[in-house]
Amino acid sequence: GENVEQHPSTLSVQEGDSAVIKCTYSDSASNYFPWYKQELGKGPQLIIDIRSNVGEKKDQRIAVTLNKTAKHFSLHITETQPEDSAVYFCAARQAGTALIFGKGTTLSVSS
Amino acid sequence: NAGVTQTPKFQVLKTGQSMTLQCAQDMNHNSMYWYRQDPGMGLRLIYYSASEGTTDKGEVPNGYNVSRLNKREFSLRLESAAPSQTSVYFCASSVEAGVANEQFFGPGTRLTVL
Repeated sequence: GENVEQHPSTLSVQEGDSAVIKCTYSDSASNYFPWYKQELGKGPQLIIDIRSNVGEKKDQRIAVTLNKTAKHFSLHITETQPEDSAVYFCAARQAGTALIFGKGTTLSVSS
Repeated sequence: NAGVTQTPKFQVLKTGQSMTLQCAQDMNHNSMYWYRQDPGMGLRLIYYSASEGTTDKGEVPNGYNVSRLNKREFSLRLESAAPSQTSVYFCASSVEAGVANEQFFGPGTRLTVL
């Protein structure tokens, strides 16, 4: 079955710096790659997603890139702000129904 | 709209006790899911219901049962709780399973089994 590896597990940056979180997946049939943000005490919330027919997608300060050949995808956050501090999860969808999540990255942005 | 609601927010059980976690959504979604979240383990799917009347096992179904009561409600039952089931449980819903639909998560239930 699908396996999603996520790195790093923790990431600390200064306000205004960029942050990059990387994920690899194992199932070449996976075709949908969402990113979720989880704030303390809340459920995860979708922030951006990408499909396998697209290489890059941007939404204001966040962007996701996908390399199908290498089977990895990354989340890029530019001009980080304290409110970006949260746990971020990547996920991949197998051919089927289940989303498989990575183990999460705790991002801390200090001002 | 309330989105996805879960009750209770917190629960402490003794080993061997049973309980049911409740979940409801008001977005007219067809698919609903139960996940557990443990430190360093991410989110793992316990059970899901692609549509009313159907349920399927996820990655970690042992020790749990589910009921899709109607289109709105999806409950998770622990028949005989064990300390290994101490976790935060999240319910989620989406328009449909099997396609690239956003999953909307509830606020979670924090369960401790002593």
